Amino acid sequence: DIQMTQSPSSLSASVGDTVTITCRASQGITNSLAWFQQRPGKAPKSLIYAASSLQSGVPSKFSGSGSGTDFTLSISSLQPEDFATYYCQQYDSYPITFGQGTRLEIK
Amino acid sequence: QVQLVESGGGVVQPGRSLRLSCAASGFNFKSYGMHWVRQAPGKGLEWVAVVSYDGRKKYYADSVKGRFTISRDNSKNTLYLQMSSLRDDDTALYSCAKESTVVTFDYWGQGTLVAVSS
Repeated sequence: DIQMTQSPSSLSASVGDTVTITCRASQGITNSLAWFQQRPGKAPKSLIYAASSLQSGVPSKFSGSGSGTDFTLSISSLQPEDFATYYCQQYDSYPITFGQGTRLEIK
Repeated sequence: QVQLVESGGGVVQPGRSLRLSCAASGFNFKSYGMHWVRQAPGKGLEWVAVVSYDGRKKYYADSVKGRFTISRDNSKNTLYLQMSSLRDDDTALYSCAKESTVVTFDYWGQGTLVAVSS
């Protein structure tokens, strides 16, 4: 199975900041990487697929990059609604696996 | 708009069975693969199973293989998860997710809670 490791596990930032979350795959997955946002008590929301493609309706403040084993999610101009938990997911091969999550908190 | 509504969760004793359903609407259900994902209380996301658009291909996480069966009824726009030999560590919120044009998900349901407890 492909292991996905996110860093950091938690992150404190202020409104208006820009943050970056990293996701590393245990083996190459080309660009088969997605990012999801989960607010407390809510279903996950798809943000990015194919490492850098924005899902329809997702603001351009979210951006993804990377290929192979190393990927990043950047969020600019943080707003209160952006403080949530973020997960990466590889879908290169089954079983689909997720990172452990990065909790983004307000400083 | 796409809607995925899960049902069938509840409290069940270890070793018993339960069937979950996911009613889909707002898209051409028979054209997309569908997944089940679970989230134990306070934990991260765990992929459970996938069924292809036509029901012919199915894949499972090792943790549920041989105990859970995913299926779909395209005439009813409904996805199912038959769970048997349930264990304490199967306790989780179970959500269905619609596959996008690639294998990842573009829509998730709100989930149905399964609690395995004696």
